Amino acid sequence: EVQLVESGGGLVQPGGSRRLSCSASGFTFSHYEMNWVRQAPGKGLEWVSYISSSGGTKYYADSVRGRFTISRDNAKNSLYLQMNSLRVEDTAVYYCARESGWDDFEDWGQGTLVTVSP
Amino acid sequence: EAVLTQSPGTLSLSPGERATLSCRASQRSSSNSLAWYQQKPGQAPRLLIYGVSSRATGIPDRFSGSGSGTDFTLTISRLEPEDFAVYYCQQYGSSHTFGQGTKLEIK
Repeated sequence: EVQLVESGGGLVQPGGSRRLSCSASGFTFSHYEMNWVRQAPGKGLEWVSYISSSGGTKYYADSVRGRFTISRDNAKNSLYLQMNSLRVEDTAVYYCARESGWDDFEDWGQGTLVTVSP
Repeated sequence: EAVLTQSPGTLSLSPGERATLSCRASQRSSSNSLAWYQQKPGQAPRLLIYGVSSRATGIPDRFSGSGSGTDFTLTISRLEPEDFAVYYCQQYGSSHTFGQGTKLEIK
């Protein structure tokens, strides 16, 4: 069974940093592209970042480019999101999601809430 | 980057009725990658449909996807009580894009 478990959420002040982690199990992590998707309270889904299976290719949404960094450690079956210069508008539940060969998000974690507030 | 517009914003129907949800893209995607997700309160989204019309593993056959070009549809043939939720479409073009969602509520 595929499992994705996010951690690292919490309360952070504007301008602060936070590192999210996603622990994967139940599949060969190193074979899959991975993403972060977020959802602000009461709002819709927003794609945040993508990383290729090897980690060599990364993409970001315009809203986070230059502030967030996605990475992975295939030996540890883990995905990360380093978030710097956080803004109030970054407040959201952050999901890690496994990408299928059809460019969709086949499996999702339960999410971790990041609250950016003074 | 394509914008996905879902309609209606809210759909009020009764169990047993047929639901038709629309997703319109502002431009054609180079790939056939249109997916639909269901999200219930407090839960992560769940993949329903991928590649426009293929059901994901374990999805009942009352869910079907169709469309091409810039117009796509999710149809739920006979609504069950557990189908009332928010539905999102998603497409990959130069990046991943989601529609704003359709809330399917009990009438």
